[in-house]
Amino acid sequence: GAGVSQSPSNKVTEKGKDVELRCDPISGHTALYWYRQSLGQGLEFLIYFQGNSAPDKSGLPSDRFSAERTGGSVSTLTIQRTQQEDSAVYLCASSVGLAGEDEQFFGPGTRLTVL
Amino acid sequence: AQSVSQHNHHVILSEAASLELGCNYSYGGTVNLFWYVQYPGQHLQLLLKYFSGDPLVKGIKGFEAEFIKSKFSFNLRKPSVQWSDTAEYFCAVGMNSGYSTLTFGKGTMLLVSP
Repeated sequence: GAGVSQSPSNKVTEKGKDVELRCDPISGHTALYWYRQSLGQGLEFLIYFQGNSAPDKSGLPSDRFSAERTGGSVSTLTIQRTQQEDSAVYLCASSVGLAGEDEQFFGPGTRLTVL
Repeated sequence: AQSVSQHNHHVILSEAASLELGCNYSYGGTVNLFWYVQYPGQHLQLLLKYFSGDPLVKGIKGFEAEFIKSKFSFNLRKPSVQWSDTAEYFCAVGMNSGYSTLTFGKGTMLLVSP
């Protein structure tokens, strides 16, 4: 597609439920990133993929968070047993090269609300 | 770990005023520097970037930024802002060592009144 797409755009869930967030990167972009954006907190790095492997998972806040990427394309971020503090906008980005050296293209985000 | 500090969380200006948004980072090695912008209702997008060479870089929409290595700073400037510049601005730093990710500042919300 023309840009990075994410689904759903909004997700409201109850505390304790699991959620899956999806990201479709720009075709041909081998690097894919997940961030979390909370009000006044900037962008918090979660995880990075190069192809299907995740060399850097250092930002995942707890073992309730996991992510996978298949076929070097679509990625899914899963949050198990959601908590209210998980409420945030989850952003996906992709780039041709490494983020530290290349422009990242961001998706519109998924706004997660945990009641 | 590296960190990025943006000095102002909110800035309010009138149209035609000059803008300078501060950004400082903590990392002693070689860095790549970015400013991203998020207009209301839109995706984050790249405004400008510095990798090497002339420390004064120009980006889209008349923005520029200056890298001052001795001050660990990469401040964003625009001589005359417009109402359409209302947005949130994020400074980001990447280590030029093959490291995979960027560290973002907390953002500065700019409101330009007509």
